[in-house]
Amino acid sequence: DVKVTQSSRYLVKRTGEKVFLECVQDMDHENMFWYRQDPGLGLRLIYFSYDVKMKEKGDIPEGYSVSREKKERFSLILESASTNQTSMYLCASSFLGQGRNIQYFGAGTRLSVL
Amino acid sequence: KNEVEQSPQNLTAQEGEFITINCSYSVGISALHWLQQHPGGGIVSLFMLSSGKKKHGRLIATINIQEKHSSLHITASHPRDSAVYICAVIKGEDNDMRFGAGTRLTVKP
Repeated sequence: DVKVTQSSRYLVKRTGEKVFLECVQDMDHENMFWYRQDPGLGLRLIYFSYDVKMKEKGDIPEGYSVSREKKERFSLILESASTNQTSMYLCASSFLGQGRNIQYFGAGTRLSVL
Repeated sequence: KNEVEQSPQNLTAQEGEFITINCSYSVGISALHWLQQHPGGGIVSLFMLSSGKKKHGRLIATINIQEKHSSLHITASHPRDSAVYICAVIKGEDNDMRFGAGTRLTVKP
């Protein structure tokens, strides 16, 4: 079974803090994605990566950065957390050949910024 | 206007009822997914469709490409079906994935 693991289920941070959300997948997938999910808006793509050290902006990259130093790990970074970044964050991965057709999701990290 | 619209947003049913969740989209697609998100956040893929109909146990998914519409049906619903169901499309032009806002289903015993 494919496993996508997000390091934290719940996080509470203060405004201005630097926040790291970690995601690890164990299926040697080339593609990895970070989404945020907000009520009424569905999932929105923040960043994705199709290879080590490669990254592409999604629909809402502002206020976020990412790091992909190893194939299995994709980190989402909030350089200076703000209250409007309170959300559910979901990581996903897929094989390169499938593009975004079959993505495997992690359990999500619910981040609260106070 | 969102490219993917789901209805209803919230749905409450009694155990045993037949459930239908609808998804309409406004872009050309290469495939459509139905996803299930359990309380706590984890998402699993139920179906991927590009035409016709698929069935898995009590779940049935249909798609009408001409009408740009898909439905997810649950027969003999059960409280364990309670979850958020999300429609997602793969846009044909650029392979981007777009998500509906989700339908929160609660099945009461």
